[in-house]
Amino acid sequence: EVQLVDSGGGLVQPGGSLRLSCAASGFSFSDHYMDWVRQAPGKGLEWVGRIRKKANSYTTEYAASVKGRFTISRDDSKSSLYLQMESLKTEDTAVYYCTRASPNSRGHWYFDYWGRGTLVTVSS
Amino acid sequence: DIQMTQSPSSLSASVGDRVTFTCRASQGISSFLAWFQQKPGKVPKSLIYDASTLQSGVPSRFSGSGSGTDFTLTISSLQPEDIATYYCQHYHSYPLTIGGGTKVEIK
Repeated sequence: EVQLVDSGGGLVQPGGSLRLSCAASGFSFSDHYMDWVRQAPGKGLEWVGRIRKKANSYTTEYAASVKGRFTISRDDSKSSLYLQMESLKTEDTAVYYCTRASPNSRGHWYFDYWGRGTLVTVSS
Repeated sequence: DIQMTQSPSSLSASVGDRVTFTCRASQGISSFLAWFQQKPGKVPKSLIYDASTLQSGVPSRFSGSGSGTDFTLTISSLQPEDIATYYCQHYHSYPLTIGGGTKVEIK
């Protein structure tokens, strides 16, 4: 059974930093792209960023709203995904979900599994 | 960036009704479109990818169609457990973007 367990959320002051983790199990983690998606309280879903697999040099993509402040990384030996968040703003307050992506027949990657989410609150 | 626009933003229907809602992309995305379901207070669940392929375990009353810029999600017979917000998302290019959602309620 595919499981994604997000952790690391909490209360942080504006300008502060936080590192989220996602522990994966039940599948070959190294074969998949992984993403972070967030949801502000009472709002819709927003894609945060993606990290590709080793065969694609672990390259990353980010939403404009977080580029330069957030960094996605992974440790395939631990089947773990990370989101390092710097210079946090109040508008970064959200539940953060890690998601697994799988490839379609044309090499585009779609989300198929979601973690339970971890709440990040940025407030003074 | 490709913008995803969903309509309506909310709808109310009776159990057993056929329900259809739409998602429009601001430019062509081929069939690189996914639909998600998020029940109140729950984690999103992936329903459909490639515009029309059901994820494993998704009931057959759900179906998706479309390509290019216009897409639809249909529930053939609305059930009480289908109360949720439904989101569309493209994965054609970066940045990936997600629509604002359609909230489905029981009349």
